[in-house]
Amino acid sequence: EAQVTQNPRYLITVTGKKLTVTCSQNMNHEYMSWYRQDPGLGLRQIYYSMNVEVTDKGDVPEGYKVSRKEKRNFPLILESPSPNQTSLYFCASSSTSGGGRNEQFFGPGTRLTVL
Amino acid sequence: GEDVEQSLFLSVREGDSSVINCTYTDSSSTYLYWYKQEPGAGLQLLTYIFSNMDMKQDQRLTVLLNKKDKHLSLRIADTQTGDSAIYFCAGWYSSASKIIFGSGTRLSIRP
Repeated sequence: EAQVTQNPRYLITVTGKKLTVTCSQNMNHEYMSWYRQDPGLGLRQIYYSMNVEVTDKGDVPEGYKVSRKEKRNFPLILESPSPNQTSLYFCASSSTSGGGRNEQFFGPGTRLTVL
Repeated sequence: GEDVEQSLFLSVREGDSSVINCTYTDSSSTYLYWYKQEPGAGLQLLTYIFSNMDMKQDQRLTVLLNKKDKHLSLRIADTQTGDSAIYFCAGWYSSASKIIFGSGTRLSIRP
């Protein structure tokens, strides 16, 4: 089954404790992206990757890091989480940069709470 | 800069039509999308429209695009309880090589 998986689905942590949210897709997609969803703000792009070893900042990259060492994986790293990073996070992938008719496939989301 | 705006809430009676509206600022958007997010799940593409089209119909869904007013709407005919979700309008902006999402409209269905 074609899918994007994220782990963990729920995470409660404390300020300053490094964490990683994993994302994996099995569709051989070149493009992958991380979003955060906050009430009333819709989805805001954190980072994206056009292909292996190619990553770039989205609209809200501060406090986050990513890596793309393999095509299928695109982990999101919070080196020193802060309470304002409490949010719902989505990973997405598509066969191109997401434009045109190409559909972005979304993971199920990771709800992160930073105390 | 690019922006996509939607109202946050809509409540309709079961069986009625729902109309969700969206406005966007950047006329360079070539594709416009409607995504659906059900509770506890990620977003799924519902339908899309190319910027040179005015209307697209797909079963109970009708998408209308008014390029002059930069207005996009999604009409759901015969709304059912299973249509309860958050609906996101989004536009592909080739100038920025990215998709911009609206804030989402939460559709609730009254019996």
